[in-house]
Amino acid sequence: DAKTTQPTSMDCAEGRAANLPCNHSTISGNEYVYWYRQIHSQGPQYIIHGLKNNETNEMASLIITEDRKSSTLILPHATLRDTAVYYCIVSTYNFNKFYFGSGTKLNVKP
Amino acid sequence: SQTIHQWPATLVQPVGSPLSLECTVEGTSNPNLYWYRQAAGRGLQLLFYSVGIGQISSEVPQNLSASRPQDRQFILSSKKLLLSDSGFYLCAWRGVRYGYTFGSGTRLTVV
Repeated sequence: DAKTTQPTSMDCAEGRAANLPCNHSTISGNEYVYWYRQIHSQGPQYIIHGLKNNETNEMASLIITEDRKSSTLILPHATLRDTAVYYCIVSTYNFNKFYFGSGTKLNVKP
Repeated sequence: SQTIHQWPATLVQPVGSPLSLECTVEGTSNPNLYWYRQAAGRGLQLLFYSVGIGQISSEVPQNLSASRPQDRQFILSSKKLLLSDSGFYLCAWRGVRYGYTFGSGTRLTVV
């Protein structure tokens, strides 16, 4: 069962930052936060993951609150190609299975 | 590098016909393998996962089965398809750090 809560959809203007929130109030101390995205008719793609420190890579930044009960994925300069469903997942590092929730449909508009 | 192959890309099958979808992984050994299904407009539902040859765990009882005859081969099957089996089927393997890597998927339409 998915242990995260995300808004159903969000809009973002092209070139602006997209901030996608995720609530995971029951996260355990050894569970990581993973973010994936799924562009229409493709398999989900890994974006970023973190435990408690903020993380940044070439795709996005991940901000995790100090109590770890929520996080925000930031796409610094959204493009039309970032239109996708974004999934937030919590799981241990040595996980056996991921449960995907409903995700957030991000619509990037010109 | 590790790659995952899944075929066919699309499939149209009549109700009551059998199904066999194959997934293979290259560049890794003893991977954890997974089958997910995504119904139209819905999220991803975990169907089966396998931690080794012959080891299958079923998440949802249904009209499907899975087998792992070889280390890097994962097969999804059905003896008689139902209309409700239509969907987008995705195979995935679990990497060390980045979670899952997904295949390109099979879009199954049961008519």
